[in-house]
Amino acid sequence: GQNIDQPTEMTATEGAIVQINCTYQTSGFNGLFWYQQHAGEAPTFLSYNVLDGLEEKGRFSSFLSRSKGYSYLLLKELQMKDSASYLCAVRGRDDKIIFGKGTRLHILP
Amino acid sequence: DTAVSQTPKYLVTQMGNDKSIKCEQNLGHDTMYWYKQDSKKFLKIMFSYNNKELIINETVPNRFSPKSPDKAHLNLHINSLELGDSAVYFCASSPALDTQYFGPGTRLTVL
Repeated sequence: GQNIDQPTEMTATEGAIVQINCTYQTSGFNGLFWYQQHAGEAPTFLSYNVLDGLEEKGRFSSFLSRSKGYSYLLLKELQMKDSASYLCAVRGRDDKIIFGKGTRLHILP
Repeated sequence: DTAVSQTPKYLVTQMGNDKSIKCEQNLGHDTMYWYKQDSKKFLKIMFSYNNKELIINETVPNRFSPKSPDKAHLNLHINSLELGDSAVYFCASSPALDTQYFGPGTRLTVL
């Protein structure tokens, strides 16, 4: 079957660093996405990885290891506005995108 | 300059009714999607269209029928609404096999 696992909730402190992990088992692999979703809003794109390694984009970085079926999203210098759900999603062989259930991140002052 | 727009934003209706949700994108993308996000916030793909042609059709009851009159529009019609259809429905579009841009969502409540 196809499965994407990520922690349900995490808590971190303003100014700190947090790493959100995602593991996946899918039928084929054509890329992994991270999205941010604030409560009551639409998901917004954060990153896309198709090759192994680290992609850095400002305070956010995303890492992929295809052999391990593993990715993480790293958020640095956390701000209160980073409180949101973070969704890991994988595009499979058939180009269908499967989403994980999301990780709700709480930032404490 | 809305990129992906949906109407209506909120929809409250009785069981058994038929309703439609409209989606439009002005990004010139070839591919459009419908997703359902349930009360547990689980986002699940329903349909995907590429240049007006259906390419992904998940295991969705046939009460749900998408229609794409042109590549900028993808509408969703739902017949005989049921309580379990209550959810937020997101439309999205993408230029290729990467970034998806989501619409603001339509919150459907079936009473």
